[in-house]
Amino acid sequence: NAGVTQTPKFRVLKTGQSMTLLCAQDMNHEYMYWYRQDPGMGLRLIHYSVGEGTTAKGEVPDGYNVSRLKKQNFLLGLESAAPSQTSVYFCASSYRLLETQYFGPGTRLLVL
Amino acid sequence: TQLLEQSPQFLSIQEGENLTVYCNSSSVFSSLQWYRQEPGEGPVLLVTVVTGGEVKKLKRLTFQFGDARKDSSLHITAAQPGDTGLYLCAGPLMEYGNKLVFGAGTILRVKS
Repeated sequence: NAGVTQTPKFRVLKTGQSMTLLCAQDMNHEYMYWYRQDPGMGLRLIHYSVGEGTTAKGEVPDGYNVSRLKKQNFLLGLESAAPSQTSVYFCASSYRLLETQYFGPGTRLLVL
Repeated sequence: TQLLEQSPQFLSIQEGENLTVYCNSSSVFSSLQWYRQEPGEGPVLLVTVVTGGEVKKLKRLTFQFGDARKDSSLHITAAQPGDTGLYLCAGPLMEYGNKLVFGAGTILRVKS
């Protein structure tokens, strides 16, 4: 099993450009999450999904959109990137809400 | 303001030394989790403590959950270079729909 995979691993964007980050899990987990990690601030939840076709806002959702068209995939979109969105983005999945979350290796995003 | 405060922020020690890192909150948590994150990778769950006063051991790592379920500590005995990493605590917050909130982490460096 690959677990949780994320693509791309690294990306540089100019302000105003758009992009989509892809997360895939092969553990048949219902819950999927997108976090951002910034120095001194820990991991903050952006959006999450409790199942195929569902999405919900987390702690810091502004400037991001998500979609979960297939159970195994969770996409994070930035429609108009801003320098404040420079961060490392982690996807995670879990079978249930309070069970172990399995994290992907992260996507490092730099917005110039 | 971090709901989970971790201390110290950085710790650099020699191989063989003992250390303790702390995770504190003014909120009560039903459980607390400890993760370790290595550079370029996602966090990996080490342990979950669920009962006030609980002590769990994982080889040279000892985790304790405070009696009031507002704090936790991680003690490492005879640290080794392989213990180097970022240690994160996290817990489900009822006011947040039981989604995980993370501390900012403690960066540990063990020198050989």
